[in-house]
Amino acid sequence: DTGVSQDPRHKITKRGQNVTFRCDPISEHNRLYWYRQTLGQGPEFLTYFQNEAQLEKSRLLSDRFSAERPKGSFSTLEIQRTEQGDSAMYLCASSLPYDTKDNEQFFGPGTRLTVL
Amino acid sequence: AQSVSQHNHHVILSEAASLELGCNYSYGGTVNLFWYVQYPGQHLQLLLKYFSGDPLVKGIKGFEAEFIKSKFSFNLRKPSVQWSDTAEYFCAVKDPGGYQKVTFGTGTKLQVIP
Repeated sequence: DTGVSQDPRHKITKRGQNVTFRCDPISEHNRLYWYRQTLGQGPEFLTYFQNEAQLEKSRLLSDRFSAERPKGSFSTLEIQRTEQGDSAMYLCASSLPYDTKDNEQFFGPGTRLTVL
Repeated sequence: AQSVSQHNHHVILSEAASLELGCNYSYGGTVNLFWYVQYPGQHLQLLLKYFSGDPLVKGIKGFEAEFIKSKFSFNLRKPSVQWSDTAEYFCAVKDPGGYQKVTFGTGTKLQVIP
């Protein structure tokens, strides 16, 4: 499968614990995006990388959230001191680095986080 | 901040019925608009997009959408739905000015009854 992959697919944790998710984009895609989707809502943009540079961050990304893409390939999203409100599906997407009508974001399957 | 409104949260249609899902966005300038679909158990995937030019956009699986700038709308249509169109549909708009943030609507769940 050459699509976007995410690991783990499901994560259950206790409030206050730290969690880390991984996203592997499509290999030739320089751009990588993280979104969060809660029940009954559409995906909400969290952050965006072009290669290893984090170029945009949403105000939704509180101090407890950090995302990295150290070598411009895979990315990790860490949530520290998880809260029940962090329970959501975390989606990763990737795209080529062109702002043309031929470009699109390809989404992964998501990581479903449940905070007890 | 950009916002996207989808008017219908849950739509139930019989096969062969026509479909129109409403979408309105808030920003009045140049926008890039999208419809995404999520079939049960599958990833979000792009259905169609508008960047510029012809306001009537054709996508995959017989879907089309019309961009009406004066109404800030980008409604999705299909003349005859099939059971396999059962899915959740999301309208989205990309921030202008070279930003990559995409704002999604809350989604419309479409159920097609055979």
